Amino acid sequence: NAGVTQTPKFQVLKTGQSMTLQCAQDMNHEYMSWYRQDPGMGLRLIHYSVGAGITDQGEVPNGYNVSRSTTEDFPLRLLSAAPSQTSVYFCASSYSTAGGWTGELFFGEGSRLTVL
Amino acid sequence: GEDVEQSLFLSVREGDSSVINCTYTDSSSTYLYWYKQEPGAGLQLLTYIFSNMDMKQDQRLTVLLNKKDKHLSLRIADTQTGDSAIYFCAEKDRDDKIIFGKGTRLHILP
Repeated sequence: NAGVTQTPKFQVLKTGQSMTLQCAQDMNHEYMSWYRQDPGMGLRLIHYSVGAGITDQGEVPNGYNVSRSTTEDFPLRLLSAAPSQTSVYFCASSYSTAGGWTGELFFGEGSRLTVL
Repeated sequence: GEDVEQSLFLSVREGDSSVINCTYTDSSSTYLYWYKQEPGAGLQLLTYIFSNMDMKQDQRLTVLLNKKDKHLSLRIADTQTGDSAIYFCAEKDRDDKIIFGKGTRLHILP
């Protein structure tokens, strides 16, 4: 199993450019989420989805869009990149059991984005 | 909003026990977690505890939960060089969001 796959691993953008960070999981997980990790700030939740067709905002959603048309994919779009969006981005997925959702997250390896 | 606080650094001698502490604010948290991040990698779940438990032990790891004080700790017995990493405390809030602390960097002294 590939688990959670993020592409690209590295990207450099100029201010104002747009791009999409891709995230795919092959574990049939209902829950998917995007975090950004900045030095001294830990991980902050950008957007999350509890199933196909459903998305919701996290702690820092401004400047980012997401969609969830399939269970497997959860792309993160930057419509007009800003230097403040320079960060390492992590996609994570999770699953429910008969007892409910434990919240165990499976992380991708990260995408390092630099905005000049 | 919810907040998860933990100290940023901890240095421990090899073979000693490491204790990483965390406080959280959301009294409705149902699950609390400890994740480990090694350099250049994503986070991996180490262990989690349900909010109606006081303690959970898993090999060298012991998690203690004081729900009254909203305090969570992770004890690593017989700390090894391979334990050097950043450790994140996290909680699941009432909206099913997972909120992370800033992470504690564990440094192992020879």
